[in-house]
Amino acid sequence: DQQVKQNSPSLSVQEGRISILNCDYTNSMFDYFLWYKKYPAEGPTFLISISSIKDKNEDGRFTVFLNKSAKHLSLHIVPSQPGDSAVYFCAASARKTSYDKVIFGPGTSLSVIP
Amino acid sequence: NAGVTQTPKFRVLKTGQSMTLLCAQDMNHEYMYWYRQDPGMGLRLIHYSVGEGTTAKGEVPDGYNVSRLKKQNFLLGLESAAPSQTSVYFCASSFLTRAFFGQGTRLTVV
Repeated sequence: DQQVKQNSPSLSVQEGRISILNCDYTNSMFDYFLWYKKYPAEGPTFLISISSIKDKNEDGRFTVFLNKSAKHLSLHIVPSQPGDSAVYFCAASARKTSYDKVIFGPGTSLSVIP
Repeated sequence: NAGVTQTPKFRVLKTGQSMTLLCAQDMNHEYMYWYRQDPGMGLRLIHYSVGEGTTAKGEVPDGYNVSRLKKQNFLLGLESAAPSQTSVYFCASSFLTRAFFGQGTRLTVV
């Protein structure tokens, strides 16, 4: 039973438009959420995170929104660029109870079309 | 500026063979992890360590063993490889929940 779900395996977006990647979680103990980006033949790299005490965190073109009541978070990329084409993993952690475990979702492959 | 280094990058094993994957980090992180990535499954935690001399089981530990004799190294062992262990393996170390990953090891068991 996946605790972190990314129901869209893939997404295609035109360059310059907004990319929205979604993530749902089931464990109400999760209190810290992260997004990682992965290019082929490379390891994932950290992109952005959000604590459960916030509902939005922004870093340049990347914004993560958290809706705790719906157990849902989303990553917005505006404007999308061809270099953003990668697999994006949503991840969650229950820092109060299990600081060291991060659970990853299955990933969404984003293609930004020039 | 090495970060997290995994060796080897590729390996083909026959069923029943054994091997060890090596992970080394130079960031002085306490926490280290081994994940496997399979299509549609995301990154699944195999084993992890919260410090030198400690190890713990993750989500999918069966068929694997680990050791953390030195803080900077985390070894993943397969005692008797099976085709189900064909996967891409990632090592990571972390500080304050933020993980830094190696480039991965692509393992094929035939």
